[in-house]
Amino acid sequence: NAGVTQTPKFRVLKTGQSMTLLCAQDMNHEYMYWYRQDPGMGLRLIHYSVGEGTTAKGEVPDGYNVSRLKKQNFLLGLESAAPSQTSVYFCASLVGAAGTEAFFGQGTRLTVV
Amino acid sequence: RKEVEQDPGPFNVPEGATVAFNCTYSNSASQSFFWYRQDCRKEPKLLMSVYSSGNEDGRFTAQLNRASQYISLLIRDSKLSDSATYLCVVNMVGNFNKFYFGSGTKLNVKP
Repeated sequence: NAGVTQTPKFRVLKTGQSMTLLCAQDMNHEYMYWYRQDPGMGLRLIHYSVGEGTTAKGEVPDGYNVSRLKKQNFLLGLESAAPSQTSVYFCASLVGAAGTEAFFGQGTRLTVV
Repeated sequence: RKEVEQDPGPFNVPEGATVAFNCTYSNSASQSFFWYRQDCRKEPKLLMSVYSSGNEDGRFTAQLNRASQYISLLIRDSKLSDSATYLCVVNMVGNFNKFYFGSGTKLNVKP
C-alpha cells in the first residue's frame, strides 16, 4: 500500500516563484493536513481539510493556499515563495473524527533562495 | 503559549539506561494523547497512544495525568535503535480533529 505520498520530495525555488505540493492518500481518509516543520518549532499546522471540497486555516496559513477537489488529494500552493517558507512540509491523513493515528507522507524539503 | 511543550533535550544516555520524557499541554479539553517517533529526516510515526489508566508496550510505558495536564514516556533498557526524536501529540476531537505537536525531545542512546 502506498499510504500517503508527497510530491515532490525536494525543491529549490527562487523568491517570488510559485509551486504546488501534492499529497495523495489511498486509504479513503476524510481528514487531511499540511504541516511545516522547522528546527526547534515542531510541526505547525498550515491548513487542513475535513472532507472533499472543504478546507480551513490552521496555525500558520499566511502565504499558502490549499484545495481538496478530490478526496484522495490535498494540494498546498505557494503563490509567491519567500525565504521564510524554507522548511520541511509534511502531509498527513486521518480516517475521521474517531481516528487516532495520523499517517504522514515522507515530507517535502523546500528551499527558497 | 504553545499548546504542547516538551523539553527539547538532547538526552544522551548509555545503552541499557532508563529514560523518561515529560510533556505538558495547555488545553484541559484535550481528549486524546499520543507519542510519535521521528527519525532523522523522516516522517513522524505513531509510537503509542496514551490512556488515562496508563499503558505499556514492551519497554515503553506511557502515562497521563489529566489533573496536572502532563504526559510521560518511559523507556526502559534503552537500545541504540531508540535514538530518535519523540513527539508528544495532543488531539482535540471536537476541534476538527486537530493534532497539536510538541517540538520533540531528542534521544541519543550511546554504546
